[in-house]
Amino acid sequence: DVKVTQSSRYLVKRTGEKVFLECVQDMDHENMFWYRQDPGLGLRLIYFSYDVKMKEKGDIPEGYSVSREKKERFSLILESASTNQTSMYLCASRLPMTAQHFGDGTRLSIL
Amino acid sequence: ELKVEQNPLFLSMQEGKNYTIYCNYSTTSDRLYWYRQDPGKSLESLFVLLSNGAVKQEGRLMASLDTKARLSTLHITAAVHDLSATYFCAVVNSGNTPLVFGKGTRLSVIA
Repeated sequence: DVKVTQSSRYLVKRTGEKVFLECVQDMDHENMFWYRQDPGLGLRLIYFSYDVKMKEKGDIPEGYSVSREKKERFSLILESASTNQTSMYLCASRLPMTAQHFGDGTRLSIL
Repeated sequence: ELKVEQNPLFLSMQEGKNYTIYCNYSTTSDRLYWYRQDPGKSLESLFVLLSNGAVKQEGRLMASLDTKARLSTLHITAAVHDLSATYFCAVVNSGNTPLVFGKGTRLSVIA
């Protein structure tokens, strides 16, 4: 079975902090994705990556950046956390043109 | 721009009853996915539909796809409490592009 592991289930940070969310997958998938999930808004794509060192902006990239130095790891960075970034963050991976497999999510609170 | 609309967004149904969730999308698509999310958990892939007229069934859930109408349905037969969850449809525009998700249908099955 595909395993997508997000480093934290719950995280509390303060405004202005730099926040790192880590995601690791164990199935040698080329494609990786970061979404945020908010009530009433569904899943919105922040950034994605088709391969190592590649990144593409999704629908809501403002205030975020990403890093993909190794194939199995895709990191989401909040450069200067703000309260409107309080959300559930979901990482996903896939082989090209197949179903996306999701991690358990990180519930991030910015105080 | 590809848009995906689900309805209803909330559904409360009695055990033993049948119901259908609808997923409309705005442009042509290569494939459509249905996912399930339990409270506090991640998304689990249920079905992938690849062609017009495709039908997939597992247990009390049956998904179908009409590409000409740009419509997919998820039919629930004789609902049981264990089906209570949020169901998402997600569509790929073409090729290896990311999934675009609907806002989800929160299903609650009551005795």
